[in-house]
Amino acid sequence: DAGITQSPRHKVTETGTPVTLRCHQTENHRYMYWYRQDPGHGLRLIHYSYGVKDTDKGEVSDGYSVSRSKTEDFLLTLESATSSQTSVYFCAISESGQLAPQHFGDGTRLSIL
Amino acid sequence: QKEVEQNSGPLSVPEGAIASLNCTYSDRGSQSFFWYRQYSGKSPELIMSIYSNGDKEDGRFTAQLNKASQYVSLLIRDSQPSDSATYLCAGHGSSNTGKLIFGQGTTLQVKP
Repeated sequence: DAGITQSPRHKVTETGTPVTLRCHQTENHRYMYWYRQDPGHGLRLIHYSYGVKDTDKGEVSDGYSVSRSKTEDFLLTLESATSSQTSVYFCAISESGQLAPQHFGDGTRLSIL
Repeated sequence: QKEVEQNSGPLSVPEGAIASLNCTYSDRGSQSFFWYRQYSGKSPELIMSIYSNGDKEDGRFTAQLNKASQYVSLLIRDSQPSDSATYLCAGHGSSNTGKLIFGQGTTLQVKP
């Protein structure tokens, strides 16, 4: 199994609070991704990173920010959580950009009340 | 908008039968495709990768790619109840961003 750890695995919080999810990898892969998965929408890319301090937006980036200060860590922050951000969040990693598959972490189940 | 399309199912097959899962894509420049299996409440797990036209076999799984028809499929032989899951098809777009485009997934039910 790819060495990917997401934390926390579960979180319940209130609307308006900041939330940070962490993805940690031990594979030294260059590419890292944050997805959310909701019924009826499948997997949707939030942000991704192609190197330390190099990030870009995905299709549903509004309300989210990311940071990558080290190869192994990719943080996803909800600056002011809203109920519409209740979802399951997956981190994925990839050795290279084109042609390589992505491998997923176990996910974080986030509930915003 | 580059897309990957899958029938959401559910696809129901009896135990021991061949399950056939299909996927079409719109980006003619796509070069690599992947099948993921996702059990309920779990994360997607890579089960097959395919890069060139034709068939690729791995145990009970066969992935098929037809770039001219923009069509990818996954065959599961001797289907088992443990194969019951959602299967996600994904492809790299033609741009070199590393982003995967995922289909909505097909739910497979294998009945004993």
